Amino acid sequence: DAKTTQPPSMDCAEGRAANLPCNHSTISGNEYVYWYRQIHSQGPQYIIHGLKNNETNEMASLIITEDRKSSTLILPHATLRDTAVYYCIVSFKGTYKYIFGTGTRLKVLA
Amino acid sequence: EPEVTQTPSHQVTQMGQEVILRCVPISNHLYFYWYRQILGQKVEFLVSFYNNEISEKSEIFDDQFSVERPDGSNFTLKIRSTKLEDSAMYFCASSELEGRETQYFGPGTRLLVL
Repeated sequence: DAKTTQPPSMDCAEGRAANLPCNHSTISGNEYVYWYRQIHSQGPQYIIHGLKNNETNEMASLIITEDRKSSTLILPHATLRDTAVYYCIVSFKGTYKYIFGTGTRLKVLA
Repeated sequence: EPEVTQTPSHQVTQMGQEVILRCVPISNHLYFYWYRQILGQKVEFLVSFYNNEISEKSEIFDDQFSVERPDGSNFTLKIRSTKLEDSAMYFCASSELEGRETQYFGPGTRLLVL
């Protein structure tokens, strides 16, 4: 089973920030949090990852709580093309396969 | 920007036939993976591969499946005798280093077994 919990769906108005939460309460000290998204049935697209510090790149920001038990992916100005399923993944300790959950289906509304 | 490529994009086959799905990982990557996604379901890990050996495989990856790196660029997944339930999207991924290195996914091959 996935080590993360995400809401099944969210809506966001175009141009607004989309904040996608993820709980990973059993995360270990050396495990990273990764975020991917999947548009339709395309291959999962890497967005961002982090260990304990907040991270930002050209696509998104990642906020990780101090206890590392949860994180939030922020898309600062959502567009219609950001409509996708977003997956929060914690690398599985002792191995490096990704365990995908069901993700959050984000719908950006015009 | 380098990317993982997969061929074919679509494959239709008859039950019991063998299929080979091909992937070209990013050129300096050393670790390779196959995942699959049955329509409407989660993405599932199948196998990881490094240094010409399987590093890990899931219970889905039974004797009907095999992987190979036949040359310096390709990475293949073979299904020996396809079943109806093998119909799925198959994604190849690669990473530069194992562990906390990001995996980059290809666009997938849609396999339909009739």
